[in-house]
Amino acid sequence: DAGITQSPRHKVTETGTPVTLRCHQTENHRYMYWYRQDPGHGLRLIHYSYGVKDTDKGEVSDGYSVSRSKTEDFLLTLESATSSQTSVYFCAISEGTQGAKNIQYFGAGTRLSVL
Amino acid sequence: AQRVTQPEKLLSVFKGAPVELKCNYSYSGSPELFWYVQYSRQRLQLLLRHISRESIKGFTADLNKGETSFHLKKPFAQEEDSAMYYCAPGGYGGATNKLIFGTGTLLAVQP
Repeated sequence: DAGITQSPRHKVTETGTPVTLRCHQTENHRYMYWYRQDPGHGLRLIHYSYGVKDTDKGEVSDGYSVSRSKTEDFLLTLESATSSQTSVYFCAISEGTQGAKNIQYFGAGTRLSVL
Repeated sequence: AQRVTQPEKLLSVFKGAPVELKCNYSYSGSPELFWYVQYSRQRLQLLLRHISRESIKGFTADLNKGETSFHLKKPFAQEEDSAMYYCAPGGYGGATNKLIFGTGTLLAVQP
């Protein structure tokens, strides 16, 4: 497996509380991504980063913010968690955007339950 | 709107039978297309991409621009092929690295 670590792996929280998920990589890849996986929807891109402090929105960014202060870390924050954000969250990385560098490598996922 | 469709949620075949997992996309331009696979208790991983024209684990995928399809095929299914398969064109919002994943097809190969 590529050097991608997601933490925590499981989390249960209450509606209205802030939650931060961490993605850590040891591959020195430029691009990092956050997806959520839900039945009937596949994976949907939340946010991605194309460098330190450079981020952009994906398909389903409402209610989420991200930060990348170091190459190796990409944080996903739910400012005020809602039950609709119960999901499995995946982090991915890629070296570039063309050819073989455009291949994304995925973390093991974080299962989040918002009660 | 950019969209990818995998019409089968579940595809069940017997070992040795041919397999075709369908994928259709509605994209402008020429997206790069990928198939990703998730085996039980493993991470999502790349199976193959159209630009490399490879055969991986006996699977091939042909891009048909006229039909905007990228179906995944294997002539003889094996039990170890059982997994969730996702079609994923790149190019969302004009960025080649922003993928749109289909809803996935669960392939179950029976002995």
